Amino acid sequence: DADVTQTPRNRITKTGKRIMLECSQTKGHDRMYWYRQDPGLGLRLIYYSFDVKDINKGEISDGYSVSRQAQAKFSLSLESAIPNQTALYFCASQTGSGGYNEQFFGPGTRLTVL
Amino acid sequence: AQSVTQPDIHITVSEGASLELRCNYSYGATPYLFWYVQSPGQGLQLLLKYFSGDTLVQGIKGFEAEFKRSQSSFNLRKPSVHWSDAAEYFCAVGESSASKIIFGSGTRLSIRP
Repeated sequence: DADVTQTPRNRITKTGKRIMLECSQTKGHDRMYWYRQDPGLGLRLIYYSFDVKDINKGEISDGYSVSRQAQAKFSLSLESAIPNQTALYFCASQTGSGGYNEQFFGPGTRLTVL
Repeated sequence: AQSVTQPDIHITVSEGASLELRCNYSYGATPYLFWYVQSPGQGLQLLLKYFSGDTLVQGIKGFEAEFKRSQSSFNLRKPSVHWSDAAEYFCAVGESSASKIIFGSGTRLSIRP
């Protein structure tokens, strides 16, 4: 089984709808991350969490919110989806502190907002 | 601010040819550097990383990268590419103070039969 899973894998929604993307990891990592990937822009950090009580904004947090329900679960919400939030979304987890530890990525969720 | 530049958006090489993907970074201290690969329809997988020691690092799948502080570069190389190497490659730098990784914009690699 995959260490980091994301649901759904694909989602099409309409402008103004609320949507939640879910992420679970079985690696026991304390740190979790949400990124979005757009062509030519690489991965940009939306939110990250160092533990259940520690949530931090990334570089592009506007229009998004997150919830860390447990060490293993980190969900991303779009309160009112808009078309420019159409992207590929990745969740990742990491152990320990410092910027030198590997991040483990889920398979991604492809979101389309019409 | 830390940043990563991958100047090549798309590269095509022939199967069996050598490969070099370029990466330049901007970081005040000794950087933590990574190369990740994203195969079609999949998440990112770590190829290799550098944070100290030998400046030539070996990774999985026959890849290697060389850290050159004087050029602020961390280029990825492979002596002979295989069709299965077709993917998108991301260079990244780790921010030690905040446990964050900053990614470059990626280089898409295509393999010519």
